[in-house]
Amino acid sequence: AQKITQTQPGMFVQEKEAVTLDCTYDTSDPSYGLFWYKQPSSGEMIFLIYQGSYDQQNATEGRYSLNFQKARKSANLVISASQLGDSAMYFCAMSPTNAGKSTFGDGTTLTVKP
Amino acid sequence: SQTIHQWPATLVQPVGSPLSLECTVEGTSNPNLYWYRQAAGRGLQLLFYSVGIGQISSEVPQNLSASRPQDRQFILSSKKLLLSDSGFYLCAWSVLARAAVQFFGPGTRLTVL
Repeated sequence: AQKITQTQPGMFVQEKEAVTLDCTYDTSDPSYGLFWYKQPSSGEMIFLIYQGSYDQQNATEGRYSLNFQKARKSANLVISASQLGDSAMYFCAMSPTNAGKSTFGDGTTLTVKP
Repeated sequence: SQTIHQWPATLVQPVGSPLSLECTVEGTSNPNLYWYRQAAGRGLQLLFYSVGIGQISSEVPQNLSASRPQDRQFILSSKKLLLSDSGFYLCAWSVLARAAVQFFGPGTRLTVL
């Protein structure tokens, strides 16, 4: 069974600063993927970034980077230079590489202050 | 490019009425399809997933059902809605070639009164 834990229900960050959203996971699968999604108030789930368990380098997508520490089973999302439009709920998720079912965390609500 | 459609966007239904939510995917073949429900301010609860036409796996026992009559069509149904069925329903698709990343539709807000 897989489990995703997001311990920060809510986070605040000043505009233009960086913020880290925590995610820890537990799985017995040898190969898996980790994902982050953004859900603004409109409700749509927007895929942000993906990290494979065997990837040697941490994933980056524009202002998003995934700080992957396999031994600690953590996959924190780092958002650099926060913008007001980054205010949203953020979900961490994982799935076995060869299976489509994903497990989602409970989410972290990020508020960017001007 | 791939797109996913869901309708309706919002729905208000009385208790005991039937439900049919539809989801279609364009631009990909043989996707895995998923139905999730999300309560306000909460995480996603996987309801059903499908790896092919007519193949449905149920994750949570409830009065909802799902069907996949075509490769890229996924339908969520109920014969009699309960108050507890209110929520935000999201459809998603994935393909293993894209590392099983799930891509979501715009969602349907269902209110049962």
